[in-house]
Amino acid sequence: SAVISQKPSRDICQRGTSLTIQCQVDSQVTMMFWYRQQPGQSLTLIATANQGSEATYESGFVIDKFPISRPNLTFSTLTVSNMSPEDSSIYLCSVDRRGTEAFFGQGTRLTVV
Amino acid sequence: AQKITQTQPGMFVQEKEAVTLDCTYDTSDQSYGLFWYKQPSSGEMIFLIYQGSYDEQNATEGRYSLNFQKARKSANLVISASQLGDSAMYFCAMRVPPGDDKIIFGKGTRLHILP
Repeated sequence: SAVISQKPSRDICQRGTSLTIQCQVDSQVTMMFWYRQQPGQSLTLIATANQGSEATYESGFVIDKFPISRPNLTFSTLTVSNMSPEDSSIYLCSVDRRGTEAFFGQGTRLTVV
Repeated sequence: AQKITQTQPGMFVQEKEAVTLDCTYDTSDQSYGLFWYKQPSSGEMIFLIYQGSYDEQNATEGRYSLNFQKARKSANLVISASQLGDSAMYFCAMRVPPGDDKIIFGKGTRLHILP
């Protein structure tokens, strides 16, 4: 299984501020995915991050609010910008190896106050 | 459009009994993959099992098996000999390649194992 280190594991942030979440993978992967899980809900894909190109965002998510970096094949960051209480969620990164295994980081539990 | 449906919001099962969690999916593609994940209260997503649409045999991983009925578009998860540690949220998910490797998730089923 892939080892994905995601940090921070949790944070409490003031509204209007930004938080950057990091994901480090133990091997090179082509695509990394960022998901949001709002309280009591399922996972929703925010964007797909390929190395060397701009991230592809899903409907309802925009780059200004969720900028993503992918500087190399083992690392990615997601920033949640200008936060409001509605951004309180678990954010998860994911990688997909060999097409039959999709693994997740430990998740970042974000609370905006 | 692709869709995953989990119709059981919650289940209560006695310890050591077998559990079946339902999942149906909708896609017009012939090639797709189906996943099951476990999410304990800690929030991490634990990969349990995978079934490819062309796999002729049902996938198995230890106590987990996937009852794949392609014609019915059903991919139920079976947990044998349930344990207290199996209490968690369970998500069924689907990926539909090519060119679109994102995974979509069902709403989940919360499983409670009773002692």
